[in-house]
Amino acid sequence: GQNIDQPTEMTATEGAIVQINCTYQTSGFNGLFWYQQHAGEAPTFLSYNVLDGLEEKGRFSSFLSRSKGYSYLLLKELQMKDSASYLCAPMDSNYQLIWGAGTKLIIKP
Amino acid sequence: GAVVSQHPSWVICKSGTSVKIECRSLDFQATTMFWYRQFPKQSLMLMATSNEGSKATYEQGVEKDKFLINHASLTLSTLTVTSAHPEDSSFYICSASSTGWDYNEQFFGPGTRLTVL
Repeated sequence: GQNIDQPTEMTATEGAIVQINCTYQTSGFNGLFWYQQHAGEAPTFLSYNVLDGLEEKGRFSSFLSRSKGYSYLLLKELQMKDSASYLCAPMDSNYQLIWGAGTKLIIKP
Repeated sequence: GAVVSQHPSWVICKSGTSVKIECRSLDFQATTMFWYRQFPKQSLMLMATSNEGSKATYEQGVEKDKFLINHASLTLSTLTVTSAHPEDSSFYICSASSTGWDYNEQFFGPGTRLTVL
């Protein structure tokens, strides 16, 4: 079957760094997306990895290891507005995104 | 990034009525549109995938006669919830994608919150 494993909830302090891990199993693989979803809103695109390694985009970086079925999202210089759910979504061989429940990130002052 | 709009943002209706939700791609041609449903604190659940001009492909367990999807143009898809019941109350989100994009990423509309009384 296809599944995603992320921590349900994480807490971090404003200004700090946090890493959200994701392991996945899919039928085929066409890259992995990270989305941010604030409560009551739709997801917004953060990053995409299809090759192994680190992709950096401002305060956010995403890493992928295809052989390990593993990815992480790294958030630096945390701000209160980063409080949201972070969704790891690999794309399977049919180009369908596989969604888990996401990680709820709580930022404290 | 690409912009996707949804209308209405929220709707309250009586049980047994039908509700239509529109999804529009504003600055690109969406060759594929996706309809999702999300219950509180749960993951996005794909309901159906639609390509312009062809019938939608529904996920297992989703009733195609209850959730009517029309993708009449490259910028508009509609979802009609027919004979809505309280258990259909949910957050409905559309997303759109376009062939030729490097990433096959999906851009999401803001969502429609449906409450059926």
